Amino acid sequence: QKEVEQNSGPLSVPEGAIASLNCTYSDRVSQSFFWYRQYSGKSPELIMSIYSNGDKEDGRFTAQLNKASQYVSLLIRDSQPSDSATYLCAGLHSGGYQKVTFGTGTKLQVIP
Amino acid sequence: DVKVTQSSRYLVKRTGEKVFLECVQDMDHENMFWYRQDPGLGLRLIYFSYDVKMKEKGDIPEGYSVSREKKERFSLILESASTNQTSMYLCASGVMGSYNEQFFGPGTRLTVL
Repeated sequence: QKEVEQNSGPLSVPEGAIASLNCTYSDRVSQSFFWYRQYSGKSPELIMSIYSNGDKEDGRFTAQLNKASQYVSLLIRDSQPSDSATYLCAGLHSGGYQKVTFGTGTKLQVIP
Repeated sequence: DVKVTQSSRYLVKRTGEKVFLECVQDMDHENMFWYRQDPGLGLRLIYFSYDVKMKEKGDIPEGYSVSREKKERFSLILESASTNQTSMYLCASGVMGSYNEQFFGPGTRLTVL
């Protein structure tokens, strides 16, 4: 099993809709989880961090963590064409040091 | 704002050359990381450092070495570049601890001919 798994997409949603991005993780990943946004040809940009079970909201973004199900999600409300990007899910490795494991990303397309 | 800079945006080298990629951060972060990113493979950790002169191998260290002589600077060295090292190289820095948010530089797209 991959340590962090994401559906590669593309996920297409109409402008104004809610985009739901999902991620599962293995036992080798724990504690802290992150969502990065990466535009084509650019580097990843941190948009959300979540450390405990439940929801965390920041503007149009909501991150959800369910440790029992080993599941992390990112909801984007009122999706805009500028949200079109690849979204990377990442988690802190359980093995110590400071290693973060990344998923391969889900490509989101917001259709005007 | 955190600022992570990388020495080159684009780089073209020949097989067998020694290649240096430099990364500098201005936020006094303990941790620094080097990744490569390839289509379909995602971000893969090459090396990381949690203190000056300290380094740890990541998932794919073969063919690479690193140097961290100062806290703000972390260098990646390709001892003898090969065509399979053509990739996007990303440097990141972050604070120590379980929160470990990482902040990325703009990346260096390296082509080895």
